[in-house]
Amino acid sequence: TQLLEQSPQFLSIQEGENLTVYCNSSSVFSSLQWYRQEPGEGPVLLVTVVTGGEVKKLKRLTFQFGDARKDSSLHITAAQPGDTGLYLCAGGINDYKLSFGAGTTVTVRA
Amino acid sequence: NAGVTQTPKFQVLKTGQSMTLQCAQDMNHEYMSWYRQDPGMGLRLIHYSVGAGITDQGEVPNGYNVSRSTTEDFPLRLLSAAPSQTSVYFCASSRGGVSGYTFGSGTRLTVV
Repeated sequence: TQLLEQSPQFLSIQEGENLTVYCNSSSVFSSLQWYRQEPGEGPVLLVTVVTGGEVKKLKRLTFQFGDARKDSSLHITAAQPGDTGLYLCAGGINDYKLSFGAGTTVTVRA
Repeated sequence: NAGVTQTPKFQVLKTGQSMTLQCAQDMNHEYMSWYRQDPGMGLRLIHYSVGAGITDQGEVPNGYNVSRSTTEDFPLRLLSAAPSQTSVYFCASSRGGVSGYTFGSGTRLTVV
């Protein structure tokens, strides 16, 4: 049973469109992290959010942490083919033990 | 900096064989973890360590052993390989807090 549920599982959009990926849990996390993984590589950290209600922006990516610290979302504006990858959310109960969601595979078509 | 180095990149084992997956980091991180990644299941925590000499079990520890004799190294041992252990294994390290984990590039293991 996944502690963190991600939706949708797959997302295919045209270049220039917007997309949102969701990460939900019944557990409260001290922090939530988003990673992107490309084929044949390990995940790479995009952002960490720690405060309920926090919003962080990284160029065209916007990350939000829910007020109750149980859920998060990742929004990509004007997606580009380079945004293609597997997006993973991970919740931290403490500094060192992370639980990952199953991931959302995003494909951006040129 | 090399970051997190995993060896080997690929391995094929026969059922019942044992082997050790190597992991080394050069960032002086206290925290290290081993994950396995299977299609549709994300990453599942096998074992983790909060410092040299200290290890603990994650979600799926059965069939695996770890040790942490130094800050740099965190090997994962498969005691008697089973087909269910066919997976991609990732080692990761972190200094904690908001810095997140740095992952190696993975070991793809097939047990036949």
